[in-house]
Amino acid sequence: QLQLQESGPGLVKPSETLSLTCTVSRGSVSSTGYFWGWVRQPPGKGLEWIGTIYYRGATYYNPSLKSRFTMSVDTSKDQFSLKVTSVTAADTAVYYCAAVNIVSTIGVYNWFDPWGQGTLVTVSS
Amino acid sequence: QSALTQPASVSGSPGQSITISCTGTSSDIGAYNYVSWYQQYPGKAPKLMIYDVSNRPSGLSNRFSGSKSGNTASLTISGLQAEDEADYYCLSYASGSTVVFGGGTKLTVL
Repeated sequence: QLQLQESGPGLVKPSETLSLTCTVSRGSVSSTGYFWGWVRQPPGKGLEWIGTIYYRGATYYNPSLKSRFTMSVDTSKDQFSLKVTSVTAADTAVYYCAAVNIVSTIGVYNWFDPWGQGTLVTVSS
Repeated sequence: QSALTQPASVSGSPGQSITISCTGTSSDIGAYNYVSWYQQYPGKAPKLMIYDVSNRPSGLSNRFSGSKSGNTASLTISGLQAEDEADYYCLSYASGSTVVFGGGTKLTVL
């Protein structure tokens, strides 16, 4: 059973860059059966899709968020990452990574499972 | 990209059935049979309950079922149990290789 684990700084200052990593175990980030996704959840609020990435580099971002968010994959470490630039208090959230089931490698996918346990990121000076 | 519309809360008594609706547009729910549902307990990660509108992951209780009509998807929980009290989110694939979540529904078991 695939397992995912997020890691990150916990606390970031406003205007700085947030970097998060998701480590894939009991499987490979190079799997042709999955995309990889990021989802966040501000305290007390709902889930927000950030983006989805394929190990060969194709990326799909939430059009409402795209400009400050960048995803990447490191196949040598079985990890994928998220960078968020110029963070503000509005970026305070639990960030989840998840495996995303592929329907077609040209960018069609249908469900997120399994998920990492999530990591809380607080933006504060 | 607007969030799918879910009721903020629903409630039911043990043994009853409840249905949570999820309304989108012709660019997401109406266009694709790629609707999934997630259960989330406080402080925990979401858990996949239904995928592709009406399919249950292996091992999941058949008390959970999903359906779709036009631009609206629905999650039905029958034989309500106390352990079903949680937040529920719908998710749909949408045009442009994106996905969109619903705003979430808090289920209370009375």
